[in-house]
Amino acid sequence: AQTVTQSQPEMSVQEAETVTLSCTYDTSESDYYLFWYKQPPSRQMILVIRQEAYKQQNATENRFSVNFQKAAKSFSLKISDSQLGDAAMYFCAYSNTGNQFYFGTGTSLTVIP
Amino acid sequence: KAGVTQTPRYLIKTRGQQVTLSCSPISGHRSVSWYQQTPGQGLQFLFEYFSETQRNKGNFPGRFSGRQFSNSRSEMNVSTLELGDSALYLCASSRQGLEFDEQYFGPGTRLTVT
Repeated sequence: AQTVTQSQPEMSVQEAETVTLSCTYDTSESDYYLFWYKQPPSRQMILVIRQEAYKQQNATENRFSVNFQKAAKSFSLKISDSQLGDAAMYFCAYSNTGNQFYFGTGTSLTVIP
Repeated sequence: KAGVTQTPRYLIKTRGQQVTLSCSPISGHRSVSWYQQTPGQGLQFLFEYFSETQRNKGNFPGRFSGRQFSNSRSEMNVSTLELGDSALYLCASSRQGLEFDEQYFGPGTRLTVT
């Protein structure tokens, strides 16, 4: 069965600094997708970034980038130049050709002014 | 374009009762998924509906059921409520529900079982 593990329940970062959130997953499939979703306090969850497993190039969206290590089954999120608005719960997610999504338990990110 | 809406936003029920939650997807989205979010457990997949058919189901007991209407609106029902059912229930819609589709989440329904 597919599992997604986020080993850091809480992280903090100084404003304008860089932080990396970790995510590992377990799968026997070769074709799948990985996502990072952000859930701000009392607000709706939104997609931050998406990575296709068949693409070797790491996805980037402005200040957000991933480090995708397929062999290690690792998918970390790097947030550069952290802003106060980045404070949120971050969820790593996996989906496969069965169209089912698996989420990690989340990492709560605090941004310190 | 209006986002995903969920009603009600908050519910308080007692053990043994049943509850129905509603989700209206973004216009044009045909897939609706339901998740249970609890502290420490993250999001756990309940089921996914596409064109009025349940296409995927998570590992939850039969007390949890759902349906989708022809306008893609979806309802989730939980019968014989237990204390452990207290959670935030999120619904998410996507165009086709494919593995690479972005899911758009609603604000959730906070269910408290006493």
